Amino acid sequence: AQSVTQLDSQVPVFEEAPVELRCNYSSSVSVYLFWYVQYPNQGLQLLLKYLSGSTLVKGINGFEAEFNKSQTSFHLRKPSVHISDTAEYFCAVRDFTGGGNKLTFGTGTQLKVEL
Amino acid sequence: EAGVTQFPSHSVIEKGQTVTLRCDPISGHDNLYWYRRVMGKEIKFLLHFVKESKQDESGMPNNRFLAERTGGTYSTLKVQPAELEDSGVYFCASSHEIGAVQRISYEQYFGPGTRLTVT
Repeated sequence: AQSVTQLDSQVPVFEEAPVELRCNYSSSVSVYLFWYVQYPNQGLQLLLKYLSGSTLVKGINGFEAEFNKSQTSFHLRKPSVHISDTAEYFCAVRDFTGGGNKLTFGTGTQLKVEL
Repeated sequence: EAGVTQFPSHSVIEKGQTVTLRCDPISGHDNLYWYRRVMGKEIKFLLHFVKESKQDESGMPNNRFLAERTGGTYSTLKVQPAELEDSGVYFCASSHEIGAVQRISYEQYFGPGTRLTVT
């Protein structure tokens, strides 16, 4: 069974500082990787996804992530955060074992951007 | 284009009562998913519909949970009788994937969730 680990439950950062949210997964098969964001009182919104090709993936709102197969990681980064980036971020993986479509999520990382 | 909608947004019920959650997917999306997040834990898959058929219900916790998708449009998730551990946020998602080419990953669009509190 696959799993997703987000080691940091909360990440405080000052506005305009860089941030990295860590995600590691375990899977013995090919996977697709995703980062979702949940703003307060809203649903999950897709930030970016890795399906194949270039290991550096760019998403919305200036976020990017790098797929590292050898380290089974998919860390999310932003060079300069804004107060509006305060939200909860979820890493998710989808594999194709048995033709499944379900997403397996991490426990989420709460990003709090402070002035 | 309207997104995935869920009703109600919040529900507070007593242990032993019944609650029905509803999800309206994006029009034309054949795939509908239910997920649940218990407070402080990960979002967990419950089940997946393709049109009106249950494709995968491996995540359903027990037989107190009943999901339906009559006519392949909206879906309901009924909890009967509710227990304290059923409290959490229930998310619905939909996606548009055609045919059997499973490696084409279409985005799952999520609704805002229903926060269920069982007291």
